[in-house]
Amino acid sequence: QQQVKQSPQSLIVQKGGISIINCAYENTAFDYFPWYQQFPGKGPALLIAIRPDVSEKKEGRFTISFNKSAKQFSLHIMDSQPGDSATYFCAASREAGNQFYFGTGTSLTVIP
Amino acid sequence: EAQVTQNPRYLITVTGKKLTVTCSQNMNHEYMSWYRQDPGLGLRQIYYSMNVEVTDKGDVPEGYKVSRKEKRNFPLILESPSPNQTSLYFCASKQGQGNQPQHFGDGTRLSIL
Repeated sequence: QQQVKQSPQSLIVQKGGISIINCAYENTAFDYFPWYQQFPGKGPALLIAIRPDVSEKKEGRFTISFNKSAKQFSLHIMDSQPGDSATYFCAASREAGNQFYFGTGTSLTVIP
Repeated sequence: EAQVTQNPRYLITVTGKKLTVTCSQNMNHEYMSWYRQDPGLGLRQIYYSMNVEVTDKGDVPEGYKVSRKEKRNFPLILESPSPNQTSLYFCASKQGQGNQPQHFGDGTRLSIL
């Protein structure tokens, strides 16, 4: 059973556009929600993360929106660039950050 | 350079032949973890370790063993590999038990025939 559901599976966006990836969870014990970016042949790298007591977090062109009541969170990439083309994973953790549950990933392609 | 190093990067082997994938980190991190990545399933946690001699099961521990005898090393052991363990494996580490960033290795691609 997938603890964190992620959509869409793939996404194609024009350069300069906004990329939006959505995730949903059921377990209210989750207390940390990171997003990871993965390039081919590399391991995931932390992009941005949020805790459930905050509704939005922004770092540069990347923003997480968090809706605690709906148990949903999303990643927005503003002014998307070809260099943003990668696979993105949302995740959730509980128990002081020891157990992690990842979404199924979104392959983002930004076309020039 | 801070890094998590996995070896081997690629391995093709046969069913039932014991294998070990090594993982080493040079950041003095207390926490280490193993994941497998499969298409359509994302990353799934196999085992994690909060410190030396302390390990615990993740979401998909069946068929795997781990040990944490030293802080820097966290090997993944497949005692009797089977084809359903063909996957891309990642080791990760982070500082402490809190919500700190995980640092991932570059992965080990295992093919079990």
